[in-house]
Amino acid sequence: QLQLQESGPGLVKPSETLSLTCTVSGGSISSSSYYWGWIRQPPGKGLEWIGSIYYSGSTYYNPSLKSRVTISVDTSKNQFSLKLSSVTAADTAVYYCARACRGYDILTGYYIREFDYWGQGTLVTVSS
Amino acid sequence: EIVMTQSPATLSVSPGERATLSCRASQSVSSNLAWYQQKPGQAPRLLIYGASTRATGIPARFSGSGSGTEFTLTISSLQSEDFAVYYCQQYNNWPLMYTFGQGTKLEIK
Repeated sequence: QLQLQESGPGLVKPSETLSLTCTVSGGSISSSSYYWGWIRQPPGKGLEWIGSIYYSGSTYYNPSLKSRVTISVDTSKNQFSLKLSSVTAADTAVYYCARACRGYDILTGYYIREFDYWGQGTLVTVSS
Repeated sequence: EIVMTQSPATLSVSPGERATLSCRASQSVSSNLAWYQQKPGQAPRLLIYGASTRATGIPARFSGSGSGTEFTLTISSLQSEDFAVYYCQQYNNWPLMYTFGQGTKLEIK
């Protein structure tokens, strides 16, 4: 059974960089059939896609966060990571890592589909 | 950016009855739409993808329909465990942006 587990500091100071890692177990992050991604949810609010990565290192980011986000992958450790710079209180949220299926369209090529496995989530609070 | 609008924000239904949740896209997303269920303190769970295909292990009482800009999630006979928040998500491959609706809270009447 595939499992994803987020890890990282639960408290980050304003203007600093939020760093989280997702460890994948029960399956290989190097599978050609999937992308891996980060989604966040501010307390009491809805879901926001942050970005996704393929095992080869190709990345896709939410345009609204792109200038502050870096997602990377370490296939040797079966992990992928999120860095979000210059955080403010608005970045306080539960951060989820998830696996997304890889779709193919004959006109536009490969694309990220639905998120079928999720980690349990980790609350990150931005506060001094 | 494609905006996903869910209605109603809150739906009150009695156990055993049918629930119908709606999701509208600001432009066509073809059938590139998923539905998720989220219970308090838990991660979202995939229910439906491709607008109408149930994910592995999802009971048959959950069904999805629609294409283009109008989508519906129907729960045919509500069980106690179905009361939760439901989100739709579009993953239309171009432009490259994945957006969720704001959610519909399904509560016990």
